This record gives sequence, C-alpha cells and structure tokens, in this order.
Amino acid sequence: RKEVEQDPGPFNVPEGATVAFNCTYSNSASQSFFWYRQDCRKEPKLLMSVYSSGNEDGRFTAQLNRASQYISLLIRDSKLSDSATYLCVVPNQGGKLIFGQGTELSVKP
Amino acid sequence: ETGVTQTPRHLVMGMTNKKSLKCEQHLGHNAMYWYKQSAKKPLELMFVYNFKEQTENNSVPSRFSPECPNSSHLFLHLHTLQPEDSALYLCASSQVYSGTNQPQHFGDGTRLSIL
Repeated sequence: RKEVEQDPGPFNVPEGATVAFNCTYSNSASQSFFWYRQDCRKEPKLLMSVYSSGNEDGRFTAQLNRASQYISLLIRDSKLSDSATYLCVVPNQGGKLIFGQGTELSVKP
Repeated sequence: ETGVTQTPRHLVMGMTNKKSLKCEQHLGHNAMYWYKQSAKKPLELMFVYNFKEQTENNSVPSRFSPECPNSSHLFLHLHTLQPEDSALYLCASSQVYSGTNQPQHFGDGTRLSIL
C-alpha cells in the first residue's frame, strides 16, 4: 500500500450535491491527519485537521476509519467555489507529513 | 494576510543565471520546508529545516542550495537550472513538537520558468 493514496478524480458534481473523497494510508500508527484545499496555480490551504475519529466544520466533515486505514472528506451542499483539488496529508513512520496526489473536484451550475 | 510570505511571486531566468527565492514566516514556527510542484503532479518535498538545522534533503540536485539563517527565514539559491526545473516552488512552516504532527502553512509560492 502506498503511504498516502487518493482517487485523482475528477469528480464532476452539480451544485447542491453531496460528494465524498477517500484517502487510504499505510502507517497504522498515524495520529493526526489533514485535509488541504489547493486552487489552480495557488498554494495549498489547510481545510481541516483530524486528531481523533473525525471533525466537522460547517458543510465539511472528515471521518477517520483506523481499522481500514482511510480518512474521508464529505462535502455537503456543494458550491461552485468548492471547485479545487483536495489534498490528504498523513504522517509516515518517520513523522514526515506525506501529501497525497490530490482529488480534483469540479462543481457545475 | 498569509503568515508565510514568499518573494518573488514569478521568476523567469536563463539556465546560466543565479537567483534566490526568499521565504519568511511570521507564525513563530520552528520548522520550514521547500516543496516543488510541477504541473499536474503532487507536491515533492525538497528540504526540511528544524531549528535552522537541515534535517532532510530529498536527493535534490546540487543546483538547488538552501539556506536557513534563522528560524523565520529560508532561502533557495538557484544556479544553472534546467528546463525541467520550471515549477511552482512552495515554502511552508510548522511547529514541530515531539510526538505530534502539526499542519504546515504555505506561502503563495514562486512560479519559476527556466528558458
């Protein structure tokens, strides 16, 4: 299994839809996880940190499944402005943060 | 306003030029990073500095030379680059604690084009 792996997409969804991305990881000892958002030609921006079973912030929910070693990001009521690439970040066994290749989301009117 | 500032935002240089990228963080963090991001590719970690000491060099060619004079400033010196070095170069900082991973905060990046 790769250190961090994401479905590259793209996910094309209509406005108002609910969409979920999965991210699998190999380091079973990982304790902290992060989701970043990256707009085209811009820097990654922290969207959410996850230190326990999950986290929720408005329309965004992150859920952690330690047994299966994946973390998901759920976006409800998608907005046009949610169109971006979403990066999953997990520490490896050496404690270094590893960025996934990103999942591209395109929200259409 | 971002807590991590990078200059310049854009840079075009020839293969024989020497230039430097600058990064400054205003977040009081103790670790700084250089990443490279080529088009449609994931972030590639280049260098890591903890408390001004380089702790990681991910097999980066010697034409890239980092410098960290203090925990708030990070430079990337460029010399005789190749066209394949054209990319977005991102600086990040974080607070490193023993046993926990804190998120990294990124600057806007420098978009580098090698002619």
